[in-house]
Amino acid sequence: EDQVTQSPEALRLQEGESSSLNCSYTVSGLRGLFWYRQDPGKGPEFLFTLYSAGEEKEKERLKATLTKKESFLHITAPKPEDSATYLCAVQAGGVTGGGNKLTFGTGTQLKVEL
Amino acid sequence: DTEVTQTPKHLVMGMTNKKSLKCEQHMGHRAMYWYKQKAKKPPELMFVYSYEKLSINESVPSRFSPECPNSSLLNLHLHALQPEDSALYLCASSQEGRGPETQYFGPGTRLLVL
Repeated sequence: EDQVTQSPEALRLQEGESSSLNCSYTVSGLRGLFWYRQDPGKGPEFLFTLYSAGEEKEKERLKATLTKKESFLHITAPKPEDSATYLCAVQAGGVTGGGNKLTFGTGTQLKVEL
Repeated sequence: DTEVTQTPKHLVMGMTNKKSLKCEQHMGHRAMYWYKQKAKKPPELMFVYSYEKLSINESVPSRFSPECPNSSLLNLHLHALQPEDSALYLCASSQEGRGPETQYFGPGTRLLVL
């Protein structure tokens, strides 16, 4: 069974204090790993798709990296508007397939304070 | 444009009511999804439509009835719901293909069952 574990559950940072969020996964053949940002009461907003180990993607203050067992979301010099829940999800492929299903982690709730 | 729209934004219904949630996308995506999300939990997959055919039903109670009238539209018909069905209902869409399929989410419908 595919599993995704995110840590920490919650993170409080001062503005400008860089940090990383972790997403550990076990999946039968990784088809893709996805990062989303979700604000309270809103739908998840797509951030990144990672396909293979060693891949890195950046967007503004965010950088996502992928290894064979985990992914990191690095936040450089965060601002209060970066406060949100960050969700990691995996999509399985391989022999048994996985259709279009995503397996989500429980998220990291980030709060950035002035 | 990566926009998925959902109506209504909010819905309050009694346990004997019948209502429908609507979702629309114009990205040419051929897979569409319904998710249910409870507070502080990740999205939970309910249904997947692929090329307008139901491909995944995650053992959802029959009081939820999905419909895909065409490749751009997805409905979720609600009947005789229970208070525990109160949640944020999210629609998503993705391209169909061999590679990783990024799912784009709508803003959600906040449902309250009294």
